[in-house]
This record gives sequence, C-alpha cells and structure tokens, in this order.
Amino acid sequence: EDKVVQSPLSLVVHEGDTVTLNCSYEVTNFRSLLWYKQEKKAPTFLFMLTSSGIEKKSGRLSSILDKKELFSILNITATQTGDSAVYLCAVKGGSNYKLTFGKGTLLTVNP
Amino acid sequence: KAGVTQTPRYLIKTRGQQVTLSCSPISGHRSVSWYQQTPGQGLQFLFEYFSETQRNKGNFPGRFSGRQFSNSRSEMNVSTLELGDSALYLCASSFYLGNTEAFFGQGTRLTVV
Repeated sequence: EDKVVQSPLSLVVHEGDTVTLNCSYEVTNFRSLLWYKQEKKAPTFLFMLTSSGIEKKSGRLSSILDKKELFSILNITATQTGDSAVYLCAVKGGSNYKLTFGKGTLLTVNP
Repeated sequence: KAGVTQTPRYLIKTRGQQVTLSCSPISGHRSVSWYQQTPGQGLQFLFEYFSETQRNKGNFPGRFSGRQFSNSRSEMNVSTLELGDSALYLCASSFYLGNTEAFFGQGTRLTVV
C-alpha cells in the first residue's frame, strides 16, 4: 500500500526562524510529489516536483526532491505569522496517477 | 478564472439519510478527485473521475459513490449516513489525468447527527 509520512507532526517557532518540513514516501511507480498549504479549508497548491535535485522556489519557500532516498523537504525562511498552517505532502503514483497524502505538519509561527 | 466550486458549504444530516455533494472543476479541467478529511485520519482518497469514468478508487465502503457529467462536474453520494461520516469533503480538479497540479475547492462540511 502506498504510504506518505510527514515529520514533524507539529512545530512551533518564532517569527524570523527558518523551518524544514520533511516528507518521505513509499509509492508504487512514483510520478510526482506535491506540497500544499492548508489554512482553513481548501489546501492551496505550493509546488510540484518530478525530478531529483532541482530546487523549486517561491519567495521564502523552497522545496527539493530526492528520488533515490524517497523524500522531499519544504523549507520556509524568515517565517511570518501568516505561514501558520498545515503543510501537506502528497505523492502521485501508479498507472492512474493516484494522489496519496501524508497526515500533514501543523506549523505555528508565534510573533 | 473561477476556482473549484463545491456546494453546499455546510450540511447537517441525520443517521440513515443520504447526501449528495457537488463539485464544479476549474474550466477546462477534466479530472475530479474526492477526498474525506477528518482530524484523526487526515486526507483520504475516495475516488477520481476523468472523462466521466472512474479511474481510481480508495478504500471506502460502497455507500460512497460518485459520478461525473459530460461538462466535468462531479457529484458524490453517501447513502445510509453514519456518525463517522462527519468530515470535510474536498474535491480537487486537474487539467488531465497525469502529472499535473491538482487544485482544491473550499470543501463541504458534513455533520451527521
């Protein structure tokens, strides 16, 4: 069965800190890895990664994929209170590109 | 460009009833997936439709069913509701069935009493 594990499950930091969120996976026929941010209801898309070693960057957020070691990290630098959210990692796999989600990391950024 | 639209936003039903939820994908998107989100289990995959055909199915009982129409809009039906079906139901749309981003709607909060 496909599995996506995120760590830590929760994290509390102060504004200005840098955080690293982890996502490891065991998925048959890996296709891509996606990161989402969920604040209230709808998860909002952050990144999609398909190739190892190529960093994707958007402002203070960046992510990289290691297909050999089967994991990805999401980095957030100079955190702000608005970064407080659940960060979800999901992996597409199989012949039908089924998306499997991890349980998420709850990030709380205190002022 | 309008996003993914789910209706209704909130729903309260009693045990034993059935419910139908609706999802309108982003214009041009042909793939719609459904997920159940609960505090304990996280986001769990229900099923995915592409071109009116179910392409993937998660591990949910037969009480959960869905369909997709020719305009790509999708509905999800849950029959004989149980208390444990209380959850946030999210749908996501993608341009095609493949390596492409999936965008989520705001969800339908279902409470079964």
